[in-house]
Amino acid sequence: AQKITQTQPGMFVQEKEAVTLDCTYDTSDQSYGLFWYKQPSSGEMIFLIYQGSYDEQNATEGRYSLNFQKARKSANLVISASQLGDSAMYFCAMRPLKGGSYIPTFGRGTSLIVHP
Amino acid sequence: NAGVTQTPKFRVLKTGQSMTLLCAQDMNHEYMYWYRQDPGMGLRLIHYSVGEGTTAKGEVPDGYNVSRLKKQNFLLGLESAAPSQTSVYFCASSHRGEASNQPQHFGDGTRLSIL
Repeated sequence: AQKITQTQPGMFVQEKEAVTLDCTYDTSDQSYGLFWYKQPSSGEMIFLIYQGSYDEQNATEGRYSLNFQKARKSANLVISASQLGDSAMYFCAMRPLKGGSYIPTFGRGTSLIVHP
Repeated sequence: NAGVTQTPKFRVLKTGQSMTLLCAQDMNHEYMYWYRQDPGMGLRLIHYSVGEGTTAKGEVPDGYNVSRLKKQNFLLGLESAAPSQTSVYFCASSHRGEASNQPQHFGDGTRLSIL
């Protein structure tokens, strides 16, 4: 069984500063994908970034990067130069890529508030 | 391109009433999912489907039924609504699981209140 843990229920950051949102996972699968989604107060779920378990480099998408430490089973999201519009819930998810049901498991989320 | 469309967006039911939530996607995705989101609980999978005519139970299936008669549609039914089913419901779709880096696409959610 897979498990995703997001230990930070809420985070605060000053505008223009960087922030790291933690995500640890537990799986017996050797091949898996890790996803981060953003949910603003309007409610929609927005895909941010993907990291495959066999990817040698950390994923980056604009101001988002993923600090992937496979041995520690962590996939932390780093947001650089925070903006007020980054205030939202952030969810980490994992999906096996081989030999499984391919169904994602989500963490409980972290609420990020960006202060001006 | 509409993506994933959920109807209705809001609904209030009385305990014991039944209703169906409709999800439609126009991306030719094989996989479709229904989640519920409650404060502090993240997204919990109710049921999912890996193809037309097939459904499977997720983490919290009790009290819900689903059907996928057409590839583009995934219906979630509540036969006898209970106050514990008050929640925000999200539908999502995605390509086949082997399409490794493909994310799920979500609808805008349905806010359901059971009185």
